[in-house]
Amino acid sequence: SAVISQKPSRDICQRGTSLTIQCQVDSQVTMMFWYRQQPGQSLTLIATANQGSEATYESGFVIDKFPISRPNLTFSTLTVSNMSPEDSSIYLCSVETDTQYFGPGTRLTVL
Amino acid sequence: RKEVEQDPGPFNVPEGATVAFNCTYSNSASQSFFWYRQDCRKEPKLLMSVYSSGNEDGRFTAQLNRASQYISLLIRDSKLSDSATYLCVVNWGPNTGFQKLVFGTGTRLLVSP
Repeated sequence: SAVISQKPSRDICQRGTSLTIQCQVDSQVTMMFWYRQQPGQSLTLIATANQGSEATYESGFVIDKFPISRPNLTFSTLTVSNMSPEDSSIYLCSVETDTQYFGPGTRLTVL
Repeated sequence: RKEVEQDPGPFNVPEGATVAFNCTYSNSASQSFFWYRQDCRKEPKLLMSVYSSGNEDGRFTAQLNRASQYISLLIRDSKLSDSATYLCVVNWGPNTGFQKLVFGTGTRLLVSP
């Protein structure tokens, strides 16, 4: 298993600003993933982050909007750039060990 | 066709009832399958994996029909604490390690006294 923490747990932001979400895991993992869960919807994969290489983005998500860092095997950040109200969502990181475990999520509201 | 499709519910059942959820998936090359549980305002947590032979974990039974691309979850003797959203999840990725999980929209279960 894995214990995952995220910061911040929630935030309210103005449109046009950016927010960086941090994800910390208690053990070294190869793969980290970032998901979005929009209100009333299920989870959608944004990107996969490997340490030491560029993140791999899913269709509909681009690096300029969602830059990701993966500086080591226990940490990753996701930035939501130039935010609009449509970015209001829960953002979750996850890691793969025997299966995928999820962090508690960051609840973002953009005004 | 949605990649992973579930009846959103809600399913309202009394305590002690048996309830079944169904799920269909579109990618016939999918290799592994899961049921996750998500409580309100919480992250999803793995409930159980789903194997071709069917598997049981206490009150929970999962079945997979590859030919029909169909997955089911049966909950017997429902408890109040079973109230949650149940997510059908399919691994779209290669079957060696890396998981690319595709989530259904979830089926909401409400168990009442």
